[in-house]
Amino acid sequence: DIQMTQSPSSLSASVGDRVTITCRASQSISSYLNWYQQTPGKAPKLLIYAASSLQSGVPSRFSGSGSGTDFTLTISSLQPEDFATYYCQQTYSTPQTFGQGTKVEVK
Amino acid sequence: QVQLVQSGSELRKPGASVRVSCKASGYSFTTYAMNWVRQAPGQGLEWMGWISTNTGNPTYAQGFTGRFVFSLDTSVSTAYLQISSLKPEDTAVYYCARESGSDYASDYWGQGTLITVSS
Repeated sequence: DIQMTQSPSSLSASVGDRVTITCRASQSISSYLNWYQQTPGKAPKLLIYAASSLQSGVPSRFSGSGSGTDFTLTISSLQPEDFATYYCQQTYSTPQTFGQGTKVEVK
Repeated sequence: QVQLVQSGSELRKPGASVRVSCKASGYSFTTYAMNWVRQAPGQGLEWMGWISTNTGNPTYAQGFTGRFVFSLDTSVSTAYLQISSLKPEDTAVYYCARESGSDYASDYWGQGTLITVSS
């Protein structure tokens, strides 16, 4: 199975900050990398698919980059509604696997 | 609009069975595969497997074989997850999620169904 490792596991930030979360795959996954946002008690929401494509309706402050084994999710200017947990997911091979999550908290 | 609506929370005793439903609307059900994802309390997301809504063929991740069954009723655009011989460690929120054509990402999710297994 492909292991997905996110860093950091948590971070504290303020509204307006630029936030970067990284995700590393244990082997190359091309661009088969997706990012999700989850708030407490809610289902995950797709933000970015295929490493860098913005899902319809997602604000442009979210962006993704990378290919191969190293990927990044960037929030250019953190908004109050962005405090949540973020997960990366590889869909290059079965089983699909998720990173352990990164919790973005209020500083 | 696309919606996946799951059945409500369930409380079961160890050894019992449970079935979770996931009713799709707003799109052609048989066009997109359906994933199932588990989230144990306070934990991350775990992919359980997927089912082809075109053929009905299921694929299970390791750890979800034997007691877990994915099925469909295409006449009512509904996917099902059945879990038998429940164990306390099956306590979790279970999500269905539509698999988009874009690199297999899950673009729409059900609201989740909490299954609690306790004596």
